[in-house]
Amino acid sequence: GENVEQHPSTLSVQEGDSAVIKCTYSDSASNYFPWYKQELGKRPQLIIDIRSNVGEKKDQRIAVTLNKTAKHFSLHITETQPEDSAVYFCAASLQRNEKLTFGTGTRLTIIP
Amino acid sequence: NAGVTQTPKFQVLKTGQSMTLQCAQDMNHEYMSWYRQDPGMGLRLIHYSVGAGITDQGEVPNGYNVSRSTTEDFPLRLLSAAPSQTSVYFCASSYEGISGNTIYFGEGSWLTVV
Repeated sequence: GENVEQHPSTLSVQEGDSAVIKCTYSDSASNYFPWYKQELGKRPQLIIDIRSNVGEKKDQRIAVTLNKTAKHFSLHITETQPEDSAVYFCAASLQRNEKLTFGTGTRLTIIP
Repeated sequence: NAGVTQTPKFQVLKTGQSMTLQCAQDMNHEYMSWYRQDPGMGLRLIHYSVGAGITDQGEVPNGYNVSRSTTEDFPLRLLSAAPSQTSVYFCASSYEGISGNTIYFGEGSWLTVV
């Protein structure tokens, strides 16, 4: 089955700087890659996703890039703010996403 | 439109007891899933369903049963609770739309087995 690895497990960034979180996946058939943000005690919230026919997608301060050849995808957050502090999870699945495989998460801390 | 509703939010069980976590969605979504989340780990798929009457196992199905008699409901049953099943459980629903898929998670159920 699919295996998703996520790095780093913790990341501290000065407010205003950029943060990058990287994930690799094992199943070349995977074609849907969402990113979730989870605050303490809350449910995961989808922040951005990308499909295999797209190399990059951007939504304001958040962007995701995908390299299908290397089987890795990354989350980029620019101009970080204190409210960006949370745990971020990457995931991968086939088109029908009832079967998501998650990475182990990155705890992002924004230092004021 | 309540989205995905899970009950109970918190539960303490004794080893060997059984219980059912309830999940309901009012969005007419075809797909529903159960995940568990343990400290330091991502969410892991327990069971999933692609429609009423259809269920299948995920990554960590042992010790759990599910059924999908209606589109709206997808209960998760713990047959004989073990301390290893202490976890946070998330129910999710989604559909395959033209513009893409979005998974909606419930608020989670915190389960402690003593």
